[in-house]
Amino acid sequence: DGGITQSPKYLFRKEGQNVTLSCEQNLNHDAMYWYRQDPGQGLRLIYYSQIVNDFQKGDIAEGYSVSREKKESFPLTVTSAQKNPTAFYLCASTPWGVQPGELFFGEGSRLTVL
Amino acid sequence: QQPVQSPQAVILREGEDAVINCSSSKALYSVHWYRQKHGEAPVFLMILLKGGEQKGHEKISASFNEKKQQSSLYLTASQLSYSGTYFCGTEGGNQFYFGTGTSLTVIP
Repeated sequence: DGGITQSPKYLFRKEGQNVTLSCEQNLNHDAMYWYRQDPGQGLRLIYYSQIVNDFQKGDIAEGYSVSREKKESFPLTVTSAQKNPTAFYLCASTPWGVQPGELFFGEGSRLTVL
Repeated sequence: QQPVQSPQAVILREGEDAVINCSSSKALYSVHWYRQKHGEAPVFLMILLKGGEQKGHEKISASFNEKKQQSSLYLTASQLSYSGTYFCGTEGGNQFYFGTGTSLTVIP
């Protein structure tokens, strides 16, 4: 079955550590996105990528980094520079054309900093 | 750039109707609607691509007014399963933005 897989589902991190969240899709979608969601809040865009080896910052990119070495993979690293990283992280993809189609989401990764 | 939704929260009894509004300060070319259950990923409901077009999905429909840069989601005869947070979404350049969200609770 086609879809997006995020891992891990839950992650605990000590302050000062970098962590990497995995996002893999087998939908052959060109565009991939990372969003952050805080409790009771909406989704805020961290990074997005429309093509392999290219990505752009969203509204809250500070303290995060990404790579897009393969079409199907778009990992997100939460660095120690991110001051408040505890949140729910969602990865999404869509077949990018003239206009974006439906966004397909992974199940999310919940990061807690201890 | 984030679209603004209203109301922020609404509580309904089963069978009642609700309207959720989405407004953008920028020109809209398309509007998406998603529903998110607590702790889960958002689920796609529908896309509206043309001004004034109204689309339906069982008892959930939506309209899109390009000139006013607004979209509205209509939920009729609400069911308990409609509970969740509703987000509109729009594209801006190459980015995709979600609205501020509307929490909808349906009670028996």
